[in-house]
Amino acid sequence: GIQVEQSPPDLILQEGANSTLRCNFSDSVNNLQWFHQNPWGQLINLFYIPSGTKQNGRLSATTVATERYSLLYISSSQTTDSGVYFCAVVVSQGNLIFGKGTKLSVKP
Amino acid sequence: KAGVTQTPRYLIKTRGQQVTLSCSPISGHRSVSWYQQTPGQGLQFLFEYFSETQRNKGNFPGRFSGRQFSNSRSEMNVSTLELGDSALYLCASSEGTNTEAFFGQGTRLTVV
Repeated sequence: GIQVEQSPPDLILQEGANSTLRCNFSDSVNNLQWFHQNPWGQLINLFYIPSGTKQNGRLSATTVATERYSLLYISSSQTTDSGVYFCAVVVSQGNLIFGKGTKLSVKP
Repeated sequence: KAGVTQTPRYLIKTRGQQVTLSCSPISGHRSVSWYQQTPGQGLQFLFEYFSETQRNKGNFPGRFSGRQFSNSRSEMNVSTLELGDSALYLCASSEGTNTEAFFGQGTRLTVV
């Protein structure tokens, strides 16, 4: 089946720094989502991005479907950005396949 | 619009028991999917229901089952609980295939 790899697995930043999270996938996908998992476990939608670039405040995402990767950019990070970021791809059957996540810690 | 609602939020069960979890999707959404999250295996797909029919199933034993009602609400059942079933169970709703999925807050199941 399709493989979804996220890097880096862990990331520690000082408040105010910028970061880039990467998601590689091994086969063609129908769609791609980025999520932030809050401390209580809920997955919060960040981007629904099959291709191209989207921006939402300090966050932006780019998916290059032909090269099978997506990037999530976080600028001017804040302590509230801490948590685990997941990339998930939508396969032909319609379900999501998740990567293992990037655990982000933003220090004050 | 109200979001995806899962109940209960926390549950403690004993090995061998069975458990039923509930998920109410966003109004108008007809697809409900279930995922299991554990530290070792990460987030894994359990099954998906659309208009009361199971359309897709992940690689889980038959002890895991589900259903969807005519109002799109879904339940999942785990019978003969094992310690390894301890996990966060997440429900997602979407309008249909290849549309954005939205998750509930999850049910944290502990099997003792």
